[in-house]
Amino acid sequence: DAGVTQSPTHLIKTRGQHVTLRCSPISGHKSVSWYQQVLGQGPQFIFQYYEKEERGRGNFPDRFSARQFPNYSSELNVNALLLGDSALYLCASSRPVSFGLYEQYFGPGTRLTVT
Amino acid sequence: GQNIDQPTEMTATEGAIVQINCTYQTSGFNGLFWYQQHAGEAPTFLSYNVLDGLEEKGRFSSFLSRSKGYSYLLLKELQMKDSASYLCAVRSLSNDYKLSFGAGTTVTVRA
Repeated sequence: DAGVTQSPTHLIKTRGQHVTLRCSPISGHKSVSWYQQVLGQGPQFIFQYYEKEERGRGNFPDRFSARQFPNYSSELNVNALLLGDSALYLCASSRPVSFGLYEQYFGPGTRLTVT
Repeated sequence: GQNIDQPTEMTATEGAIVQINCTYQTSGFNGLFWYQQHAGEAPTFLSYNVLDGLEEKGRFSSFLSRSKGYSYLLLKELQMKDSASYLCAVRSLSNDYKLSFGAGTTVTVRA
């Protein structure tokens, strides 16, 4: 089975531009979460979607938005890019295994550089 | 909110044992994860603790004390490939899928 896939792998954008990152979860996984990982830090939670609905949101400005499609794939959009948005953007695909326990797998990430 | 602390760096010799500590202060605790992340790659799942005690998986073990807000990851029989960043993450009580990560501990294994 294929793991979590993300595209593109790398991206270079200019300040003020807009970017769309894409994620396809593992087959059978209905939840997708997005994380931002700045160099030298741990991942920071941005959004979580389950069954196409936003179920959780981290402390990020409204420039960040996301959506989930009927096939459970997801897009993360960032408007008006700032230099500080340069980071590795990780998508995590999850499914419940039993009560209170779930599997969560990360994709390879998209490395965004804002110049 | 969540406050998760772990050492920045640790160095150990091949074949040795290393213990990575993680302390946390949270508004609601619902489990603690350890992930391994090699440079430039995605985090990979190592362990999950929700009850107090030790969970053993081969060369890796993880311990949790909820009353002390403390966990550790024990890596035995270190191999060169274990050189990586190790991330401690706490699961949110309000959202099962939301993890709050520490900054990570970079472990360097030397021959």
